[in-house]
Amino acid sequence: SQELEQSPQSLIVQEGKNLTINCTSSKTLYGLYWYKQKYGEGLIFLMMLQKGGEEKSHEKITAKLDEKKQQSSLHITASQPSHAGIYLCGGLKTNAGKSTFGDGTTLTVKP
Amino acid sequence: SQTIHQWPATLVQPVGSPLSLECTVEGTSNPNLYWYRQAAGRGLQLLFYSVGIGQISSEVPQNLSASRPQDRQFILSSKKLLLSDSGFYLCAWVRRGDHPELFFGSGTQLSVL
Repeated sequence: SQELEQSPQSLIVQEGKNLTINCTSSKTLYGLYWYKQKYGEGLIFLMMLQKGGEEKSHEKITAKLDEKKQQSSLHITASQPSHAGIYLCGGLKTNAGKSTFGDGTTLTVKP
Repeated sequence: SQTIHQWPATLVQPVGSPLSLECTVEGTSNPNLYWYRQAAGRGLQLLFYSVGIGQISSEVPQNLSASRPQDRQFILSSKKLLLSDSGFYLCAWVRRGDHPELFFGSGTQLSVL
C-alpha cells in the first residue's frame, strides 16, 4: 500500500492563479521533503519540514506540516509557467534518511 | 562541496542483456546511499539502500541487485533485463544529522526493448 498519498494527481491552472497540493502519510513522519521535477530529469529540492506546525516559504512557494506530522500542503501563489512540473513529497521515516515518496502531482500552468 | 555523479544518462538495452548503473558521491564519507526507480507519471519507488560498504537492503522483490564495493560507490545491476525494468533510475544520498537532506543524481533513463 502507498504510504504517502498525494492529491491531486494532476492540476491545470491559469497563470496567476493560486494552487495547493496535498500530501498525507499513514504514519507520523520524522520529516517531509518537497521536490520538483521534470520527468526524465533529476529532482530539485524545494523544502524540508521537520517540526509539527512548521511552515517554510521560498519565493512564491509555501509548505506547511501539520502538528501530527502526517499531512503537508504545498501552496503556490500567483503561479507562473516556470512552476510547471511534477511535485513530489517524500516522507522521512527516521533521521537515517530512508524516504518513501508519493506518486507526484503534475502541474500545468497555462499562460 | 558534496556532489553525486550518476551514469549513463540514457541507456537502451535488449531484453535479456545485463545491466550496470553506477553512482558515486564526492565530498562526504560514509553516506547512506539509495537507488530509486520512477515509472512515467509516477512517484519514486525505493529499490535499495545501503548504510555502509557491503551492506545492502532490498525494499522490493525484483530482477535487480545492488552492491557497494567502496564507501562512495553504489552500483545497480541485473543479469538479465526484463521489459518491466524500464524506467528512470535515480541514485541518492543523505546528509546525516538533525536535518537530513536527500540529494539526488541526475538519473538514468533505461529503456528495455
